[in-house]
Amino acid sequence: KNQVEQSPQSLIILEGKNCTLQCNYTVSPFSNLRWYKQDTGRGPVSLTIMTFSENTKSNGRYTATLDADTKQSSLHITASQLSDSASYICVVSVGNFNKFYFGSGTKLNVKP
Amino acid sequence: ETGVTQTPRHLVMGMTNKKSLKCEQHLGHNAMYWYKQSAKKPLELMFVYSLEERVENNSVPSRFSPECPNSSHLFLHLHTLQPEDSALYLCASSQESTDTHTQYFGPGTRLTVL
Repeated sequence: KNQVEQSPQSLIILEGKNCTLQCNYTVSPFSNLRWYKQDTGRGPVSLTIMTFSENTKSNGRYTATLDADTKQSSLHITASQLSDSASYICVVSVGNFNKFYFGSGTKLNVKP
Repeated sequence: ETGVTQTPRHLVMGMTNKKSLKCEQHLGHNAMYWYKQSAKKPLELMFVYSLEERVENNSVPSRFSPECPNSSHLFLHLHTLQPEDSALYLCASSQESTDTHTQYFGPGTRLTVL
C-alpha cells in the first residue's frame, strides 16, 4: 500500500533553534519527493523537490535529505524564525504526473 | 502569491444549498486539481483535469461536480452537502510536460456545511 508517514505530528521549538522533520514512505515506483510549507489559512508552497538520484537539496535555511534505499526523507530547518511556524507536508509522486501521495504533515510552532 | 486564486475564501452553506467554488490560474499550466483537506488528515485528491479533460476522479460523491471550461479556470459545484464535507478545498495547477510537475496551490476555500 502506498503511504507517506510523517513525524512528529507536532513540534514546538524556540526561535533560533534547529529542528528536523521526518518522512517515511512506501510509495512505489518512486519518481520524486517534495516538501511543502503550508501557512495557516494558505495553500501549500513547494520548498524542495528531489529525484531518485539526489541525496540533498537546500532552499535557504531549509535542507532536505533523501535516502532512497531506506525510503526516508528529512527536512532540517536551521536557525528557526517565527515565520517558520507552519505545517510541513511531505509528498511523494510516482511516475504518472497525477499520482501524488501526501503525508499528514508536521505542525511546527516556533516560539519567541 | 502563487499565481493561483480561489474564490470565495470562506463559505458557509446549508445542506440544501447549491454553491460553486472557483479557481483561476495565471501560470499557463495545462493541468488543474481539486483537493480536500480535513483536519489532521492528508490532502485528498478529488479531481484532476489535463488539457481540460477529466483524467481522474477518486471516487468522489456525486454531490461534488467539477467543471473545467478552459485551461485557466476550474469550478467545483456543490449541492446537498453533508456536515462531514466541511473542510478546506484547495485548487492546484501544474505543467504536465515538465519532469517534476510541481503543483502550485491556491489559498483554498474554507467550507462549512451546517
